[in-house]
Amino acid sequence: GQQVMQIPQYQHVQEGEDFTTYCNSSTTLSNIQWYKQRPGGHPVFLIQLVKSGEVKKQKRLTFQFGEAKKNSSLHITATQTTDVGTYFCAGRAGGGTSYGKLTFGQGTILTVHP
Amino acid sequence: EAGVTQSPTHLIKTRGQQATLRCSPISGHTSVYWYQQALGLGLQFLLWYDEGEERNRGNFPPRFSGRQFPNYSSELNVNALELEDSALYLCASSFRGMAKNIQYFGAGTRLSVL
Repeated sequence: GQQVMQIPQYQHVQEGEDFTTYCNSSTTLSNIQWYKQRPGGHPVFLIQLVKSGEVKKQKRLTFQFGEAKKNSSLHITATQTTDVGTYFCAGRAGGGTSYGKLTFGQGTILTVHP
Repeated sequence: EAGVTQSPTHLIKTRGQQATLRCSPISGHTSVYWYQQALGLGLQFLLWYDEGEERNRGNFPPRFSGRQFPNYSSELNVNALELEDSALYLCASSFRGMAKNIQYFGAGTRLSVL
């Protein structure tokens, strides 16, 4: 079945440093979504990418979807302590038995040291 | 507008018992998804309900089951509880589970099996 691998599993940065997490799918995706889960909280939707090669920005966050629609990345510029949490990518395959099912990556736990 | 609500917040059971978890989706959403998040792990897809029917199922044994009611709320039932079932169970809802729809998560039910 479809697998979504996310790396790194953990990332510790000093406040002000940049951070990137990568997501790779074993199959071509119809779209990919990114979620953030604060410690003790629940996943909160950040963004959805649909088009091949798409790049979207939200303030200090930059999201990319690969040309082959099998990989994606999230880059945070100049991290702040408010960025702490686990970042998940979630890919959705095009159809068949995977229809409607989001496959989540294992997540990257980001800690930011002030 | 109310978000996705889950009850109970915490649930303590002993091995072999049954657990019932409940979820009310955002008003207007017809799809409900259930995920298991074991400590330190990612989100594992359990079930997807839409318009009262089970649409997709993750790789979990049959003792994990559920249903969706006419008002689109949902129940997740876990029979013959095992210690490894201890986890945070998250419910999410979306508009009809088409490929591009975003999932909104509830705060979860933390199930502890003793």
